[in-house]
Amino acid sequence: GQQVMQIPQYQHVQEGEDFTTYCNSSTTLSNIQWYKQRPGGHPVFLIQLVKSGEVKKQKRLTFQFGEAKKNSSLHITATQTTDVGTYFCAGRNTGNQFYFGTGTSLTVIP
Amino acid sequence: KAGVTQTPRYLIKTRGQQVTLSCSPISGHRSVSWYQQTPGQGLQFLFEYFSETQRNKGNFPGRFSGRQFSNSRSEMNVSTLELGDSALYLCASRSRGAVGELFFGEGSRLTVL
Repeated sequence: GQQVMQIPQYQHVQEGEDFTTYCNSSTTLSNIQWYKQRPGGHPVFLIQLVKSGEVKKQKRLTFQFGEAKKNSSLHITATQTTDVGTYFCAGRNTGNQFYFGTGTSLTVIP
Repeated sequence: KAGVTQTPRYLIKTRGQQVTLSCSPISGHRSVSWYQQTPGQGLQFLFEYFSETQRNKGNFPGRFSGRQFSNSRSEMNVSTLELGDSALYLCASRSRGAVGELFFGEGSRLTVL
């Protein structure tokens, strides 16, 4: 069946360092979405990528969708304590079903 | 606009019992999906409903079932509870807009003893 793998599972960084999480799908995706879940909270939508090779930026966050539409990454520049949480990618297939990655839990050390 | 509402927020059950969880989507959203979240497993898709019809179903046993009502509210039921069913159950609603992002509720945390 379709799988979406996400690495790393955990990441601890010093405040100010950069952070990247990677998402890989076993099959081609129609699009990919990214969500952030704060500790004790629920996932909140960040962005959607649709086109092959697409790159989108939100302030310090940069999102990329691979050329083959099977992988994606989220990069945070100069992390802040407000970036703490778990970041999930969610790939959508042609059947309109979402497959979530296992998430990357980010800890930012002040 | 009110968000996605899930009830109950917390509940404790014992093995063998059954449980029903409720989800009220954002007004106007006709798609409701359910996810099980456990540590290390991420969000596992359970099922999705649209206009009272199940559109997709994840790889969960038949003990997990759901339904959607004409007002788009949805319920999921787990029968014959097992210890491994302890999890946060998240409901998400979605509009049919261009992006179609998921709006999650706060979740129902189920503990099975």
